[in-house]
Amino acid sequence: GESVGLHLPTLSVQEGDNSIINCAYSNSASDYFIWYKQESGKGPQFIIDIRSNMDKRQGQRVTVLLNKTVKHLSLQIAATQPGDSAVYFCAEKRRGQGNLIFGKGTKLSVKP
Amino acid sequence: DAGVTQSPTHLIKTRGQQVTLRCSPISGHKSVSWYQQVLGQGPQFIFQYYEKEERGRGNFPDRFSARQFPNYSSELNVNALLLGDSALYLCASSIRLAGSSYNEQFFGPGTRLTVL
Repeated sequence: GESVGLHLPTLSVQEGDNSIINCAYSNSASDYFIWYKQESGKGPQFIIDIRSNMDKRQGQRVTVLLNKTVKHLSLQIAATQPGDSAVYFCAEKRRGQGNLIFGKGTKLSVKP
Repeated sequence: DAGVTQSPTHLIKTRGQQVTLRCSPISGHKSVSWYQQVLGQGPQFIFQYYEKEERGRGNFPDRFSARQFPNYSSELNVNALLLGDSALYLCASSIRLAGSSYNEQFFGPGTRLTVL
């Protein structure tokens, strides 16, 4: 079964607020994690990634946190904008494998 | 620069038919992966090709096959279509074989297949 899953299937936030999307994984052999954004009718778009030897990585308005002790991954979006409305997927890559394993996704809705 | 392109955009088939989906990777990318995304789910890995060779395969039946051409474009073929094959089929390209290094996979817009 799936080893990458999300705690919340939907998340509704007010424009300007911060958003936090969570993800759990179960395989300690995973060495690389990625967050993707998927808008309706489009393919997944890379947001940010993190290697297993890191705890935190920041991008433009986004931060990914990795807690290997509890096998938890989170995506933080600062000052959420209407354009951030989409489905967000976390994905993992296991050591020695080339494919990505995706979770089911969280739908983020931004209220104006 | 052009991203990953896929054709056709949409496709409607009936049960038992066969379908071929096409993908052109980003220029310079040698690895292509195929994923199936059923509505409401995350993408599921089907195949990975690198330098025209299959390098990985997901848990899909033998009705699914693929190949990569010398120009690194790829085709996904599905025989004896079932209703459950209705999904968005995504192609992703990367510079190298993703298992060998941390390199980003870029996704195309997908082909929406509907099986009636």
